[in-house]
This record gives sequence, C-alpha cells and structure tokens, in this order.
Amino acid sequence: ETGVTQTPRHLVMGMTNKKSLKCEQHLGHNAMYWYKQSAKKPLELMFVYSLEERVENNSVPSRFSPECPNSSHLFLHLHTLQPEDSALYLCASSQDLRDRGQFFGPGTRLTVL
Amino acid sequence: QKEVEQNSGPLSVPEGAIASLNCTYSDRGSQSFFWYRQYSGKSPELIMFIYSNGDKEDGRFTAQLNKASQYVSLLIRDSQPSDSATYLCAVPNQAGTALIFGKGTTLSVSS
Repeated sequence: ETGVTQTPRHLVMGMTNKKSLKCEQHLGHNAMYWYKQSAKKPLELMFVYSLEERVENNSVPSRFSPECPNSSHLFLHLHTLQPEDSALYLCASSQDLRDRGQFFGPGTRLTVL
Repeated sequence: QKEVEQNSGPLSVPEGAIASLNCTYSDRGSQSFFWYRQYSGKSPELIMFIYSNGDKEDGRFTAQLNKASQYVSLLIRDSQPSDSATYLCAVPNQAGTALIFGKGTTLSVSS
C-alpha cells in the first residue's frame, strides 16, 4: 500500500449506529487530518494530530470522536449521527504541521439514514 | 477567521486554450498559497504551491500572486480535456496547523 488509505470507502449507517472510519498513511508523515466535504461547501477541517497529539478540534460535535494511536493511523469514531452528517470524509497527512503539502486519502462516502 | 473565495464556475475553455483560475484571500498576512485539483468522485491532489516571494511555473501550470489585490491565480496553458476538474485554492489557517479551502472552481475543457 502506498500513500494514504481509508476504509471503508462507502458507509451507510442509521442514526443509532456506532461505526469507525480508519485512515492509514504509508509516507512516514507526522501530521494527520480529518476533513469533511459536503456538496456546495468548502472542505471543512475537523481535527488535526501531530505526533499523535491532537492540536486542533475545530468545533466539531462530540458525536465525532477522533483517535490517533500512532503516527501512521487515525480513526474517526461515529455515534448517533444526524442525516446532515452525510458527506465525504477525507483523511490527509503531511510531513509535519508546517509542511502544507497535504496528501489526501480517497475518502469515505458516508450516508446517514 | 481567514477566508478564501473562488468563483464556482463552471469555467469552460476549448482544448489548447489558457485557463485562468482566480482565488481571493482575506488575510493580507497570508504567506503561502496552495492549489489542489479534484476530479469528480476523487480526493484533492496537490498540484502547486507558492510562497509570497514570487510566482511559480511547473510544466503547463503557473501560479501567480498579486499581494496588493490579495488574489492568487492558476494559469493552465495548452488546456487538455484531462484538466477538467475542480480546482481548490487554500491558505494556512490562523494557527498555522492546517489549510483553509475555497469552494473550488470547476473547469471544463472541451475537445
């Protein structure tokens, strides 16, 4: 595997479900990000991790819970989501916070019923 | 809060023409600027970045900065149908920890 991978690629869940999105980067980067992309809206930053420490939580509802067990893996735990949370969730990584050349994964297309 | 504005388009150009994409930014202190390309159904891909010290050319792509008017342009020479995509402009956020993206401009190159 190369670059940034995300699983699953598609996810349909009910409002009462609990699911997790996984991101893995194979680039030896130290910073990882979660973004949300909705139709007609710009990419929205959700969380930033640097060396496994969360450095930014961009006013994201608590029904989204990130986890970064090591510098290569990033999770987004989902519970009791709303239909308006349906979007493309993108993971990205960069060498470090000051390196703006972020590499994106393919994304997870999430649909909340 | 920094903002990045882009005309959503679509911008339509014939094959072989120059496509000019513009992006305005709100923070006069922004020092670096990024252009990403996103094909339909795909994730963004970094194609160009420039710093406030000058323009940059990379193959058919040129990024130009106008600091006085606070906009950055992406020029695509000899446009190809494969250039048809949405182009996202981004600047670092206030904390310098991530990027703020514009909504993107959709480019359509007709053969």
